[in-house]
Amino acid sequence: DQQVKQNSPSLSVQEGRISILNCDYTNSMFDYFLWYKKYPAEGPTFLISISSIKDKNEDGRFTVFLNKSAKHLSLHIVPSQPGDSAVYFCAASVGGSNYKLTFGKGTLLTVNP
Amino acid sequence: KAGVTQTPRYLIKTRGQQVTLSCSPISGHRSVSWYQQTPGQGLQFLFEYFSETQRNKGNFPGRFSGRQFSNSRSEMNVSTLELGDSALYLCASSTGTVTDTQYFGPGTRLTVL
Repeated sequence: DQQVKQNSPSLSVQEGRISILNCDYTNSMFDYFLWYKKYPAEGPTFLISISSIKDKNEDGRFTVFLNKSAKHLSLHIVPSQPGDSAVYFCAASVGGSNYKLTFGKGTLLTVNP
Repeated sequence: KAGVTQTPRYLIKTRGQQVTLSCSPISGHRSVSWYQQTPGQGLQFLFEYFSETQRNKGNFPGRFSGRQFSNSRSEMNVSTLELGDSALYLCASSTGTVTDTQYFGPGTRLTVL
């Protein structure tokens, strides 16, 4: 049973436009959510996180939105750059922890020049 | 500061064999987590070691085991290999504080024939 779902395996956007990556979860015990980015032949790199007590967190071009009632979160990248092309993983945990993360299967983002 | 290193990067084994993978964390980090990435299941948490003790455990069979040494280096062992164990095995290190960011290594690609 996939507790964290990223229903779009891939997304293609034009440089300069907004990229929106979506993630749904089923486990209501999750209270901490993270986004990781992964380039080929490298390990995932932490991007941004959000606690369930918030509904938005921003870091530069990256903003994560959390809708607890819908059990949905999204990552917005504005403006998108070709260097953002990578696989993006959504992850969740219980107890506000960075450990024992449950990951989605990832979304491949391609930003076209 | 050197990143997380994993050895070997690639490994080919046959069914029934056993394998040991190694992870050297970032200097000063005391926590090491292991994840398995497969196309079908995505990234799944195996276990986490902190100060030579297993602190968290995922839902994998007992064929998957690990240990951590006094210098924080960690090894993961898989016994009686099955075809389904073919995956990218990632390790991540952090200082050990539950809210601290995890830094991933590039992974070991294991192929079981």
